[in-house]
Amino acid sequence: EAGVAQSPRYKIIEKRQSVAFWCNPISGHATLYWYQQILGQGPKLLIQFQNNGVVDDSQLPKDRFSAERLKGVDSTLKIQPAKLEDSAVYLCASSHRAALTDEQFFGPGTRLTVL
Amino acid sequence: AQSVTQLDSQVPVFEEAPVELRCNYSSSVSVYLFWYVQYPNQGLQLLLKYLSGSTLVKGINGFEAEFNKSQTSFHLRKPSVHISDTAEYFCAVSYTNAGKSTFGDGTTLTVKP
Repeated sequence: EAGVAQSPRYKIIEKRQSVAFWCNPISGHATLYWYQQILGQGPKLLIQFQNNGVVDDSQLPKDRFSAERLKGVDSTLKIQPAKLEDSAVYLCASSHRAALTDEQFFGPGTRLTVL
Repeated sequence: AQSVTQLDSQVPVFEEAPVELRCNYSSSVSVYLFWYVQYPNQGLQLLLKYLSGSTLVKGINGFEAEFNKSQTSFHLRKPSVHISDTAEYFCAVSYTNAGKSTFGDGTTLTVKP
C-alpha cells in the first residue's frame, strides 16, 4: 500500500512570510497527526484529526498556525506569519483509528527553514 | 506531566557489538510503549510495541525491548548491530490517562565498521 505522502519536502522562506504543507494519509486511515520536530528533539504533536474533526490541538500555536482536513482525507497545515523558531521538520502521520495502541505511519516530512 | 526520557543522545558502537538504547517514562499509570526508527531522509517507522502480556517484546530487524513497570523503563536491545542499523531511534509512550502519545528526544545510533 502507498505510504503517507507529504509535499513539499523542503521549503525556505523569510520570517513573516506564509507557508503551507500538504499531507495525504494512507487510504482508509481515519486519524491524521501533524507533528513539529525541532532539530535534536522528538516529534511534538501539533494537531490530531479524527476523520475531519479535531481531536487535540492543545499544542498548536493558534495565533499563527492553522490546519484543516477537508473531507476527512488530505490535510493542510499553514503557518502565517512564520517566525525564526518555526524552523523544523513537519511530520504528518496517520493511523487506522485513534486508539492509543495503534501504530502511526509517518511521511518523510517537510523541512522548513525560516530566515 | 507525562514525559519520556531517552538517556543517551548519541550511542556509537562497532559493528557486530551489542547495543542498548535506554528509555524511561514518568508515570506508572497504564501505558503503551513504542520504539520507532528514523533512517536518514525517511519517516519514522515502527520497530516494536508493548501493549500487554509478556514483558519481552521482539520487533523487526532483530531488535527487542523489555518493559519494566517498577523501573518505568522500556530499553531497546540488539545483540549484534550492523552498519545498516545506523539511524535515529525514538521511544514513544501512550498515556491512557492523557489520551495522547509523547515522544522522547531520540538516540542517534552510529554503527562503525
